Parts: sequence; structure tokens; C-alpha cells
Amino acid sequence: TQLLEQSPQFLSIQEGENLTVYCNSSSVFSSLQWYRQEPGEGPVLLVTVVTGGEVKKLKRLTFQFGDARKDSSLHITAAQPGDTGLYLCAGAGAGGTSYGKLTFGQGTILTVHP
Amino acid sequence: ETGVTQSPTHLIKTRGQQVTLRCSSQSGHNTVSWYQQALGQGPQFIFQYYREEENGRGNFPPRFSGLQFPNYSSELNVNALELDDSALYLCASSRDRGNYGYTFGSGTRLTVV
Repeated sequence: TQLLEQSPQFLSIQEGENLTVYCNSSSVFSSLQWYRQEPGEGPVLLVTVVTGGEVKKLKRLTFQFGDARKDSSLHITAAQPGDTGLYLCAGAGAGGTSYGKLTFGQGTILTVHP
Repeated sequence: ETGVTQSPTHLIKTRGQQVTLRCSSQSGHNTVSWYQQALGQGPQFIFQYYREEENGRGNFPPRFSGLQFPNYSSELNVNALELDDSALYLCASSRDRGNYGYTFGSGTRLTVV
């Protein structure tokens, strides 16, 4: 069974601060996907990282995939109230019948205060 | 292009009943996965269908079953409902088994009383 540990579970910060969310596992993933989920809605894909060591940027968000493809981080620079939400990391299985199946972390509830 | 549509949005059932949830996948997607999300938790993988065949199953009992149709829409059936089955059920579609990302529906909120 693949597990993905996401931390922190809760994050409450002031507008303009920086933050980092971490996802760690002992399993190798084929890809690591980051989603954002609003109350009453399904998760929305932010980014997919596929190659070990890969870094992707989406405006103020920077995503990194670990060299061994077992861990990932999301860094937000100068957070804004509009960034408030639930952030989920999800690892896609690397082979056989697990290929593409997502194992989700527990989620990080981010609140950015004006 | 249209996204993933799930129906119904909310449902209340009695323990022991059966329920069918429906999902229309995004145009061009041949893979559908179903997830169960309890309040305050990340989604848990139930099963996946790829080109109408079950293509992997999570740690859920056989009373959770599903189908994928030729147009790649899908159904999730749950028999003998239990109180712990109360959750948000999410359908997600993708191209070719989802290694590059999924499009999720808004979910069906199931309450078992």
C-alpha cells in the first residue's frame, strides 16, 4: 500500500508571507499531481510533475518533484487571500496495475488573512 | 469542452439500501476513476475503468461495483449501504489512465441514515 504524508495539515498566515507544503513517501511515483479543492467542489489540477528533480512554476506557485520521485513540495510566494483553500498532493502509481492510480495526501488547509 | 458531470449532487439513503451514482467523463477521455472523500480527508481510490474494463481497485469491499459504458461515462453502485459510506464521491476522468492528471467532477454527497 502506497502512503503519501502531507504536511502541514493546517496553515494560517498573513497576506504577503511565503509558505511551503511538503509531500513525502517511501514509494516511487510515476508522477506527482497537485490539486486545489474549494468547499463543495471537486479538486482542480494545478500541475503535474513527471521527471525526478523537475521544477514547475505557475505564477507565484513553485512545484518541485524530488530526484527519487518519492517526494514533492509546493512553495507559494507572497500569499494572497485568494490562495485560501485545500491543497492536495497525489502520487500516481508507477507500474503494473497501479499505473496512474492516485494516492492522495491528507491535504493542507491554507488560510491567508488580509 | 465540457468537464466531468456527476449526478445526483446530493443523496440521502437509509442503511441497507442500494445506490447508483453517475458520471459523464470529459470529451476525449477514456479513463474514469472513482474516489471516496470523507470530511477533512484526502480522497481514497475506489476503482478505475479504462476503455470499459476495470483497471485497478482500491481497498473497498465487493459491494462497491461499477461500470464504464462505450461513451466512457460511468456508474458507481453501492449495495447494502452502511453509515460509514456517508461521504463525498468523486468521479475523475483522464486520457490513458491518468498519469498526467485528472479532471474531477463536483461530486455526489451521499448521506446514509
